[in-house]
Amino acid sequence: GIQVEQSPPDLILQEGANSTLRCNFSDSVNNLQWFHQNPWGQLINLFYIPSGTKQNGRLSATTVATERYSLLYISSSQTTDSGVYFCAGLDRGSTLGRLYFGRGTQLTVWP
Amino acid sequence: DTEVTQTPKHLVMGMTNKKSLKCEQHMGHRAMYWYKQKAKKPPELMFVYSYEKLSINESVPSRFSPECPNSSLLNLHLHALQPEDSALYLCASSQDFTGYGYTFGSGTRLTVV
Repeated sequence: GIQVEQSPPDLILQEGANSTLRCNFSDSVNNLQWFHQNPWGQLINLFYIPSGTKQNGRLSATTVATERYSLLYISSSQTTDSGVYFCAGLDRGSTLGRLYFGRGTQLTVWP
Repeated sequence: DTEVTQTPKHLVMGMTNKKSLKCEQHMGHRAMYWYKQKAKKPPELMFVYSYEKLSINESVPSRFSPECPNSSLLNLHLHALQPEDSALYLCASSQDFTGYGYTFGSGTRLTVV
């Protein structure tokens, strides 16, 4: 079946700290993506990362598709990084772009 | 333009009301979606439109009626909703069906009273 699992469910950091969020996904999932949902509900696409490594400022992501996991790294965290981080993927057997989300990691960054 | 625009941002409606949510994108994306998100939960798919045709209806009650007037617009018509339908309704679009370019709107926070 389609499974997308995230850890940890909650993360509390002091400003300036680094963190790693993990996403494990089943073999029927591909085209992994990472999103950030801010406290107002806006979902921002951080990375489209089916495989390999990408970086965007203080954020970077790595997907090892053969081992069915992806990691999101946040360096020098800021209070504006707070929110929920979701990973999501597509059903490998479908052609209709439906995203399957993990349960998310709730990140709180304190000043 | 790299945005998906949703209106209204907030909506309070009674159980006998009829209202519509609107969504617009001008990125030339071929697929558009409605998701529903309850508090502390991930988004759940409601409908998928591809090339302006309904492709997926995830067993959504008929009190939710989607409409795609053209390739840039997506509406969700609401009628006779229940309090448990209160949620954040998110519109999204993607360039194609690989999921590339997936972009969400800021959502409509719906409260049914």
